[in-house]
Amino acid sequence: GAGVSQSPSNKVTEKGKDVELRCDPISGHTALYWYRQRLGQGLEFLIYFQGNSAPDKSGLPSDRFSAERTGESVSTLTIQRTQQEDSAVYLCASSLNRGRRNTIYFGEGSWLTVV
Amino acid sequence: AQTVTQSQPEMSVQEAETVTLSCTYDTSESDYYLFWYKQPPSRQMILVIRQEAYKQQNATENRFSVNFQKAAKSFSLKISDSQLGDAAMYFCAYRSQGKSTFGDGTTLTVKP
Repeated sequence: GAGVSQSPSNKVTEKGKDVELRCDPISGHTALYWYRQRLGQGLEFLIYFQGNSAPDKSGLPSDRFSAERTGESVSTLTIQRTQQEDSAVYLCASSLNRGRRNTIYFGEGSWLTVV
Repeated sequence: AQTVTQSQPEMSVQEAETVTLSCTYDTSESDYYLFWYKQPPSRQMILVIRQEAYKQQNATENRFSVNFQKAAKSFSLKISDSQLGDAAMYFCAYRSQGKSTFGDGTTLTVKP
């Protein structure tokens, strides 16, 4: 498709289970971001991929969170042993490169509910 | 599907002056949230202001205020007394039932 695609759009999981969230960036976009948005709050930066460089993982809240990206394509955000506080919308975004004037495009998000 | 349109890719303002960034959206929902985010050169997305659709009163946060016109589906951001630190890319966003839709962003330049 033409935009950033995320799946699943909605996920309900039991506390303690692992979840995987997928992001398909726009073709050709070298930069990929993951953000988390808790209810009523702003976006929290989680992780950033730029081409083949080492990812910036400085925003990952705990070692239960990890993300991978294969080349400049699909990325997967994995949350292990989910907790109720992990409930949020997880947003993926991509851009052509890191330049400030390159706009970033967001997916519609994956809404995770941990029960 | 919801859409968010920011018709101004770039805007500039003189320091201490006022600037308005426009945003329109399309939705069939009646209950939703609207946001303006600021993205400085770092990767963080900073929440500037938020508006609940059921509230008629326009949200205000210090020098930032919105003009929310629900019938017209318009949600513009006014920055008063612009400061050099306001220079950034601004995103308008819509959220309903867990789904978020962002505009393409407006790059704001503040001239000293």
